[in-house]
Amino acid sequence: DAMVIQNPRYQVTQFGKPVTLSCSQTLNHNVMYWYQQKSSQAPKLLFHYYDKDFNNEADTPDNFQSRRPNTSFCFLDIRSPGLGDAAMYLCATSRASKSNEQFFGPGTRLTVL
Amino acid sequence: AQTVTQSQPEMSVQEAETVTLSCTYDTSENNYYLFWYKQPPSRQMILVIRQEAYKQQNATENRFSVNFQKAAKSFSLKISDSQLGDTAMYFCALNYGGSQGNLIFGKGTKLSVKP
Repeated sequence: DAMVIQNPRYQVTQFGKPVTLSCSQTLNHNVMYWYQQKSSQAPKLLFHYYDKDFNNEADTPDNFQSRRPNTSFCFLDIRSPGLGDAAMYLCATSRASKSNEQFFGPGTRLTVL
Repeated sequence: AQTVTQSQPEMSVQEAETVTLSCTYDTSENNYYLFWYKQPPSRQMILVIRQEAYKQQNATENRFSVNFQKAAKSFSLKISDSQLGDTAMYFCALNYGGSQGNLIFGKGTKLSVKP
């Protein structure tokens, strides 16, 4: 089945220790998104890739970076995680259109000790 | 700036009954899409229903329907014949920012369906 896969599902890191979360898709969608979702809150868009073009949201901290080496994979790098970065991180994909739904992965829950 | 507001943090409904979740939004765009997404506990978010702003007819998907009031910028979700599997967080979302499908979400409504 075509899907959006996120690994790992749970990630524990130490304060200040770099961490990378991964997302892969078999949908061949040209847009990939990363969201941060804190407990009982709405997902907040961090950035997205439209093909190879990176689009950062204005209020996304510099601590968050992303890489998309090919159509199928996208990575979220947190260079120096703080306690406030503990959250669920959701990856989503879509075809580039206002009308198209986004397909979400199951998320990676990040804990920062 | 685009905003999406869901004023009901939590709701509950008895199985087989009908419930309506509220959503209001604000945007300066003329052509936009609105969505309801469902996020069950510990499961991934999925699309429930979508509405194009240019279409006056309210969207329906089986037991799910919307009441889209464009002038009032209101987009409520009605769930008929509620089932236990409808228990989830429901997020209203507005597409903005061109063709790349960026969404802004409301804060969500936690719906509990009780047997």
